[in-house]
Amino acid sequence: GENVEQHPSTLSVQEGDSAVIKCTYSDSASNYFPWYKQELGKRPQLIIDIRSNVGEKKDQRIAVTLNKTAKHFSLHITETQPEDSAVYFCAASINNNDMRFGAGTRLTVKP
Amino acid sequence: DTAVSQTPKYLVTQMGNDKSIKCEQNLGHDTMYWYKQDSKKFLKIMFSYNNKELIINETVPNRFSPKSPDKAHLNLHINSLELGDSAVYFCASSRQGEQYFGPGTRLTVT
Repeated sequence: GENVEQHPSTLSVQEGDSAVIKCTYSDSASNYFPWYKQELGKRPQLIIDIRSNVGEKKDQRIAVTLNKTAKHFSLHITETQPEDSAVYFCAASINNNDMRFGAGTRLTVKP
Repeated sequence: DTAVSQTPKYLVTQMGNDKSIKCEQNLGHDTMYWYKQDSKKFLKIMFSYNNKELIINETVPNRFSPKSPDKAHLNLHINSLELGDSAVYFCASSRQGEQYFGPGTRLTVT
């Protein structure tokens, strides 16, 4: 089955700096890669996603890149703000059916 | 107009008891899931149902039994609760990818 690895497990940045979280996946058939943000005590919520026919996608301060050959995908957050502090999860699935999550990255943005 | 709802939000019970968690979605999605999030925040899929049929059943003790009476509901029944079952359980639903999560049920087994 699919195995998703996520790094780093914790990340601390200064407000205004960029943050990058990286994930790798094992199953080359995976074709959908979402990123979820989970604030303390809340549910995970989708912040951006990318499908395997696209190499990069951007939404304001958030961007995701996908390298299908290397089976890597990354989340980039620019101009970080304290409210970006949360746990971020990457995930991979084949045709949306069987979502496998990474172990999560706890991002702390210091004011 | 909550999209995915779960009850109860908190559940404290003793070892050996049987309990159920209910989930309902009003998004018209075909697929529903149960996830377990442990104290280290690891989010692990337990079950997935598509149109009331079980399509994913991970390595979960058979004390856990999902039931989907219709497309909009996926309940989770747990028998003979153990200390290690303490976690937050999330229900989710999806159609074309994005998963919408419920608010979670924090289960504490004492």
